[in-house]
Amino acid sequence: AQSVAQPEDQVNVAEGNPLTVKCTYSVSGNPYLFWYVQYPNRGLQFLLKYITGDNLVKGSYGFEAEFNKSQTSFHLKKPSALVSDSALYFCAVREDTGGFKTIFGAGTRLFVKA
Amino acid sequence: EAEVAQSPRYKITEKSQAVAFWCDPISGHATLYWYRQILGQGPELLVQFQDESVVDDSQLPKDRFSAERLKGVDSTLKIQPAELGDSAMYLCASSLSSGTNYNEQFFGPGTRLTVL
Repeated sequence: AQSVAQPEDQVNVAEGNPLTVKCTYSVSGNPYLFWYVQYPNRGLQFLLKYITGDNLVKGSYGFEAEFNKSQTSFHLKKPSALVSDSALYFCAVREDTGGFKTIFGAGTRLFVKA
Repeated sequence: EAEVAQSPRYKITEKSQAVAFWCDPISGHATLYWYRQILGQGPELLVQFQDESVVDDSQLPKDRFSAERLKGVDSTLKIQPAELGDSAMYLCASSLSSGTNYNEQFFGPGTRLTVL
């Protein structure tokens, strides 16, 4: 069965510093991996996804994520954090074997301090 | 920019009452999802439609929950009777369907349900 783990409930970063939000996954086949962001009182918004190919994926708002098959990880990164990046971030996984369900992690709350 | 619409945004009800939520996906999106999100947790899939057909309802409590998408466009999720443990955010999402599993989902603002 597929699963996703976000080991940190909260990440605190100073504005201008790099940020990393961690995600590890478990699937039987090959993974499709996604990052979504949830701002207060708003629905989830898609940030980026990994399907195949280049392990470094670039997405919205300057975010990127690195797929590491050997470590089964898909960490979200940004070179320079902004206060406006403060939000709840969710990692999600789907298998490529024809399964229909997307499994979401529990979420990581990012606080960026000015 | 096209968005997923949901109504109502907030619903307060007493236990044992019936509630219904409505979702209108982005035009042209064949796949529609209903999720439940409990505070502090990630979304959990309740039901997934491909056009008007259910493709996954394995986590839907079928004794009290029902969902339909009669014309393959908008959808309704119903709870009858509501229980205290149903208090949560109910999210609707939609995605393109091209026979693949890697289309991203577009989420509506959600309906926050409080059962008293």
